[in-house]
Amino acid sequence: AQTVTQSQPEMSVQEAETVTLSCTYDTSESNYYLFWYKQPPSRQMILVIRQEAYKQQNATENRFSVNFQKAAKSFSLKISDSQLGDTAMYFCAFMKHSTASKLTFGTGTRLQVTL
Amino acid sequence: ETGVTQSPTHLIKTRGQQVTLRCSSQSGHNTVSWYQQALGQGPQFIFQYYREEENGRGNFPPRFSGLQFPNYSSELNVNALELDDSALYLCASSSGLAGVSYEQYFGPGTRLTVT
Repeated sequence: AQTVTQSQPEMSVQEAETVTLSCTYDTSESNYYLFWYKQPPSRQMILVIRQEAYKQQNATENRFSVNFQKAAKSFSLKISDSQLGDTAMYFCAFMKHSTASKLTFGTGTRLQVTL
Repeated sequence: ETGVTQSPTHLIKTRGQQVTLRCSSQSGHNTVSWYQQALGQGPQFIFQYYREEENGRGNFPPRFSGLQFPNYSSELNVNALELDDSALYLCASSSGLAGVSYEQYFGPGTRLTVT
């Protein structure tokens, strides 16, 4: 079975600064996907960024980038130039590249962006 | 806006009752996955429906059941409600062969409170 661990329950960052959220996972699979989802107070889960395990290059989406360390089973999210709208819960998630598209989530990190 | 809708937004039930939650998938999507998100936790996979058939199930008892209709909308039914069933229930729709897809779009969720 897969497990996803987010060891930072809460983090705070000032507007325009950079913050990094940590995630580690455990799996015996060799082919899988990793995701970061954002859940604002509106509750709707929004995909932030996705990484395919077979790709060595770290994924980037505008101000969001990841540091994927496959051997260490680590998948951190870096948010640059933080904005007030980035305030949300952030969940790291894992999915096997096989049958049902089941996501395994971590417990989340609450990010507060302040002025 | 993802196009995935859920109803109702909130509801309150009494222990032992039965509840039905509904999800309309995004246009063109043939797969619906259901997740339970307890307060302060990450979502947990309940099951997935692909073309009206159950296509994977998480560690939930049989009193959690579902349906998918020809238009790919879906229902989650929970019988004999327990206090621990209080949670946010999220559905996610996707399209892919045999239900395999890494692009899942979440609805806003239904908040269920069991008293």
